[in-house]
Amino acid sequence: DVKVTQSSRYLVKRTGEKVFLECVQDMDHENMFWYRQDPGLGLRLIYFSYDVKMKEKGDIPEGYSVSREKKERFSLILESASTNQTSMYLCASTQMTGGANEQYFGPGTRLTVT
Amino acid sequence: GEDVEQSLFLSVREGDSSVINCTYTDSSSTYLYWYKQEPGAGLQLLTYIFSNMDMKQDQRLTVLLNKKDKHLSLRIADTQTGDSAIYFCADKASGGSYIPTFGRGTSLIVHP
Repeated sequence: DVKVTQSSRYLVKRTGEKVFLECVQDMDHENMFWYRQDPGLGLRLIYFSYDVKMKEKGDIPEGYSVSREKKERFSLILESASTNQTSMYLCASTQMTGGANEQYFGPGTRLTVT
Repeated sequence: GEDVEQSLFLSVREGDSSVINCTYTDSSSTYLYWYKQEPGAGLQLLTYIFSNMDMKQDQRLTVLLNKKDKHLSLRIADTQTGDSAIYFCADKASGGSYIPTFGRGTSLIVHP
């Protein structure tokens, strides 16, 4: 059974803290993504990576950075958390081949910044 | 840029059919998807349709694609309370892009 796992389901951090969100996939997928999900706004792409050590900005990269040192792991970093980064964070992965390229999602991390 | 639009809420009675609608703007879309998100979970692919098809049926699910009007719909027959979830429409453009564009999601509420 294919799997994308995220390190935490719920996280509470203080303003100004450095926050690491970890994502691991076991499908040997080349592409990995970080989204945030907010009510009424749907999914917004933060960053994505198409290979180890490669990263590309998505639609809302400000305040975030990422790291991909190994193919199976993609980390999202909030250098200095702020209250407007309170959100649900979803990680996804997909193959880099032709075809439907279904995205496989993790269960999400609900981050609250106080 | 590309845009995918869908209504935010739909309420139906158990046993009725649900129809969730979606419009998209990118005429080069090759695949169109429906993802389902149950409470507290990530998204899961429900079904998809290739752009050269106009209909796809899978058990209780029927996907209709009107490419001329750039309109996609998902019909769920005999809707059950377990179908209550957020349904996301998404499309993928041609040209090798593997990044879909998601709609904002439609919350389907099924009441007895």
